[in-house]
Amino acid sequence: GAGVSQTPSNKVTEKGKYVELRCDPISGHTALYWYRQSLGQGPEFLIYFQGTGAADDSGLPNDRFFAVRPEGSVSTLKIQRTERGDSAVYLCASSFRTGSSSGANVLTFGAGSRLTVL
Amino acid sequence: DAKTTQPNSMESNEEEPVHLPCNHSTISGTDYIHWYRQLPSQGPEYVIHGLTSNVNNRMASLAIAEDRKSSTLILHRATLRDAAVYYCILRDRSGYSTLTFGKGTMLLVSP
Repeated sequence: GAGVSQTPSNKVTEKGKYVELRCDPISGHTALYWYRQSLGQGPEFLIYFQGTGAADDSGLPNDRFFAVRPEGSVSTLKIQRTERGDSAVYLCASSFRTGSSSGANVLTFGAGSRLTVL
Repeated sequence: DAKTTQPNSMESNEEEPVHLPCNHSTISGTDYIHWYRQLPSQGPEYVIHGLTSNVNNRMASLAIAEDRKSSTLILHRATLRDAAVYYCILRDRSGYSTLTFGKGTMLLVSP
């Protein structure tokens, strides 16, 4: 597609439930990023992939959060045993490859998935 | 990534120029200066980036101080659609680091 697609756009769940959020990046972009944004704050980095592998997962808050990108394209962010504090907008972005003087590479963001945990 | 400092908010009138400042006194020689903006209920979008020289594109201009310790994003004629949060971000030239967002500057544009 022309842009980064995220589904669902809105998800309401109950505390303790399992949630999956999907990201479909721009075709040809090998780098994929997940961020989380709480109200009034800037996006907070969670994890990024170069191809199929997680190159940096230092932003994942705890082991309830996990992300996969099995074929190097679509990625799924998985949250187990959701808590009310997980409520936020989850943003996905993609770009051309990271590394090798790619600091000028531009990230393209999706519109986000708004997660509400009751 | 080195830290940036931006005003919390700024106001402008429609069709007037807007200068959004960013201080980055601890910038390293290999850091790019990136600007992104986020419109209400949307993900951030790229605006412009530069390394040492001033840059222009269809959206904005980026003026970089000679010592690179500050920069200014210039919107030549603000429109209502430019009302957004603007983020100034440093990113190492290697590209191995991700974008680290601060709180940005909320730009309010009045008709």
